[in-house]
Amino acid sequence: QVHLVQSGGEVKKPGASVKVSCETSGYTFTDYGISWVRQAPGQGLEWIGWINVYSGDTNFAQEFQDRVTLTTDTYTRTVYMELRSLGSDDTAVYFCARGEWELNYLDYWGQGTLVTVSS
Amino acid sequence: EIVMTQSPATLSVSPGGGATLSCRASQSVTTNLAWYQQKLGQAPRLLIYDASIRAPGIPPRFSGSGSGTEFTLTISTVESGDFAVYYCQQYSKWPPGITFGQGTRLEIK
Repeated sequence: QVHLVQSGGEVKKPGASVKVSCETSGYTFTDYGISWVRQAPGQGLEWIGWINVYSGDTNFAQEFQDRVTLTTDTYTRTVYMELRSLGSDDTAVYFCARGEWELNYLDYWGQGTLVTVSS
Repeated sequence: EIVMTQSPATLSVSPGGGATLSCRASQSVTTNLAWYQQKLGQAPRLLIYDASIRAPGIPPRFSGSGSGTEFTLTISTVESGDFAVYYCQQYSKWPPGITFGQGTRLEIK
């Protein structure tokens, strides 16, 4: 059974960075990529970017490409998202989700990680 | 950028009734369209992909249709567990990559 389990909530100050993990199980890790999506309080879904777990290639939404990094650890089957230069508008729940390609539907999702940016 | 517009913003339906949710793309996405259900405090759940294919485990009362720029999610007989927010998502073109609609809230009438 496919599972994506994310790290716990974080509280950060403006200007800081945050790194969220997504540990996967239940499928061949390198057969699928991982997208990251965020949801601000009471708002809709916003796609951040995607990583090809096999090659390490990444694609990002334009508004995030200068301050987000996606990495993988094949041995622990874990994907990481690091977001830098945090502002209050980065306060959101961050989800990882499985998607075969950068342009694809997302069939399994992590439980979400709340990142709060506050001084 | 491909903008996805969902309507209505809120749909009030009585249990046992039917529901029709709409999603419009600002340009053609062919059939590269998915629908998700999100309950409060939970992650989204994939319902439909490629515009009309039900994801594994999704009951047949959920159906999707459409192509190009106009899409519909239909719930034939709404059950109590179906009251949630529904999002459409296109995955047709790069850039901009994946984009979501703003959501339709299905509420109890």
